[in-house]
Amino acid sequence: DAGITQSPRHKVTETGTPVTLRCHQTENHRYMYWYRQDPGHGLRLIHYSYGVKDTDKGEVSDGYSVSRSKTEDFLLTLESATSSQTSVYFCAISPSTVSIREQPQHFGDGTRLSIL
Amino acid sequence: GQSLEQPSEVTAVEGAIVQINCTYQTSGFYGLSWYQQHDGGAPTFLSYNALDGLEETGRFSSFLSRSDSYGYLLLQELQMKDSASYFCAVRVSTGANNLFFGTGTRLTVIP
Repeated sequence: DAGITQSPRHKVTETGTPVTLRCHQTENHRYMYWYRQDPGHGLRLIHYSYGVKDTDKGEVSDGYSVSRSKTEDFLLTLESATSSQTSVYFCAISPSTVSIREQPQHFGDGTRLSIL
Repeated sequence: GQSLEQPSEVTAVEGAIVQINCTYQTSGFYGLSWYQQHDGGAPTFLSYNALDGLEETGRFSSFLSRSDSYGYLLLQELQMKDSASYFCAVRVSTGANNLFFGTGTRLTVIP
């Protein structure tokens, strides 16, 4: 199994508070991703990183920011949490690929975030 | 933009064969992946098709037709443990290996 750890695994917080989720990998993979998963929506990409200090937006990036200061860590921050951000958040990692063969994404176990 | 369509639910009998279809519309396409997710668990990679045709991995096979923007996942000799959600995902760029996921098909295997 890919070495990927998300913390915390569960969090309950109040509307308006800042929240930071951490993704830590031991695989030295280049790419890292943050997704949210909600019923009826599948997995939606929030932000991704293609290297240290190199990040870009996904399809649902509003209200979220990310940082990657080291290869192994990718942080997701909700600056002022809202109830609509209650979700399960998954981090994923993937090595770079130069071939037609895909390098699959490996997912962490997820963080269940509830915003009251 | 991208859109993927797959059935929301499928039920099949243990030991049988089931096919989960996926049609897609994307602005860029480099391949179709399938992921499995058990309740409360993380998605795990099953298969990938970049070229037309069938890819077989044990009891699971995946098919792609690029001209039809269509693919499917075939599960044979169904087992109870195959009850899970299955997601198709399109690889939309070679830059950061980004994937765009469908909304998932919940497979229930019954005795």
